[in-house]
Amino acid sequence: EVQLVESGGGLVQPGRSLRLSCAASGFTFDDYAMHWVRQAPGKGLEWVSGISWNSGSIGYADSVKGRFTISRDNAKNSLYLQMNSLRAEDTALYYCAKEGIFGAYFDYWGQGTLVTVSS
Amino acid sequence: DIQMTQSPSSLSASVGDRVTITCRASQGISNSLAWYQQKPGKAPKLLLYAASRLESGVPSRFSGSGSGTDYTLTISSLQPEDFATYYCQQYYSTPQKLTFGGGTKVEIK
Repeated sequence: EVQLVESGGGLVQPGRSLRLSCAASGFTFDDYAMHWVRQAPGKGLEWVSGISWNSGSIGYADSVKGRFTISRDNAKNSLYLQMNSLRAEDTALYYCAKEGIFGAYFDYWGQGTLVTVSS
Repeated sequence: DIQMTQSPSSLSASVGDRVTITCRASQGISNSLAWYQQKPGKAPKLLLYAASRLESGVPSRFSGSGSGTDYTLTISSLQPEDFATYYCQQYYSTPQKLTFGGGTKVEIK
C-alpha cells in the first residue's frame, strides 16, 4: 500500500524558514518523480514544485521560485521542501504527491501538513 | 504558463442526475489532462488521466472526453458519495509547469 506522510508544518513568522518532509513507502521511490502541491484555506489546488526520480529535472511555480528548494533522498525514501523567506500568502496545507506512471499527474497524495505564516 | 478554466464553479444536482464539468486550456494540451475529486478535509483523489483513462478502482459512472483545449468530466448518474469538489489539471507543460483548474463544487439540490 502506497503511503505518503508529510511532516514539518507549523506556525512561522514572515521571513522565516521551514523545512517540510515526506516519508514514502509501499512503492519503489526512486522510480518516480515527486511533487509538492498546496491548498490555501478554502481555496483551490496549486502545484508548487516537482523533482524527477534522479533529481535531474526540477521545476517550481513562479510564486515560489527563488525561495523554495525541493530535494529528495532516495536512500531514505524521502522528499523535502525547504521554504525560505516565507510570506503570509504561503499559508496553506502542503501535500506530497507521487507522479503517475504515464505522466505528471498525481496518483497518490499524502494527508498534508499545514503551514501558517503569521506574526 | 497554461491556464485552466473550469466551469461551472459550482452546481446543484440531485442523486441520479447526469453531471458535466468542463475544463478549457489556454492552449492545446494533447489530452494531457487529469481529473480529481476532493471531499472536505481529505486529500484529492485521482479519477481520470490522459483525459479519458479511468484510474483503477474508480466507478465507471465517471468518464472523460475532449481534445485540444476543451475537456469534459461526466458523472452519468450522480451518487450521494459524489458530492465533492472536482479539479482538472494539465500536465502538458514541460519542464514542469503544472496547473489546476479553479475547481467545481457539486452540491446537493
